[in-house]
Amino acid sequence: GAVVSQHPSRVICKSGTSVKIECRSLDFQATTMFWYRQFPKKSLMLMATSNEGSKATYEQGVEKDKFLINHASLTLSTLTVTSAHPEDSSFYICSAIRDRGTGELFFGEGSRLTVL
Amino acid sequence: KQEVTQIPAALSVPEGENLVLNCSFTDSAIYNLQWFRQDPGKGLTSLLLIQSSQREQTSGRLNASLDKSSGRSTLYIAASQPGDSATYLCAVQMNTGFQKLVFGTGTRLLVSP
Repeated sequence: GAVVSQHPSRVICKSGTSVKIECRSLDFQATTMFWYRQFPKKSLMLMATSNEGSKATYEQGVEKDKFLINHASLTLSTLTVTSAHPEDSSFYICSAIRDRGTGELFFGEGSRLTVL
Repeated sequence: KQEVTQIPAALSVPEGENLVLNCSFTDSAIYNLQWFRQDPGKGLTSLLLIQSSQREQTSGRLNASLDKSSGRSTLYIAASQPGDSATYLCAVQMNTGFQKLVFGTGTRLLVSP
């Protein structure tokens, strides 16, 4: 079956540094990927829609300069948390649409970011 | 703005029980509705996908129904097992834009042996 891979699965960084999270579709091409953020015991909140070869579309209230998204190829999207602060600590999950006809999409395993 | 609500927020049942999880959404202009399972600290596993033109989908012990006009979906789990313990999320995929998913609030299920 289709697989979406996220890396790293866990990352700890110091306040003020930047962290990059990768999302790869392993056996299909994904023109559209999504980035979500999840707080403990809460549901997923869509942060942005990542489109290959164009600028990402951010949801209201999400700082585009804080959360940089790059979708440089049909199999890779990256999320960079710039100048991270403790309040950025969260679980970040990506997903990719495999079939636009059915809307079928798959999720990565998530990346837990802890900012000290 | 689409809002998706799940009831109950948490459910604890003994092994073997049949159970129903509920999902409601405010905007019926959806492309499809999907049910996911999430284990603690993990990503999401797709369980069932119901297209807007469909009424239900079945996979093993799981059955999901969709009533688009009333904005409701139910996930039925038959003969629950301890391995079913997880958080269950429903999500509606919008008809517009990039087909983004709007997630419900989730139901935390615990099935005890």
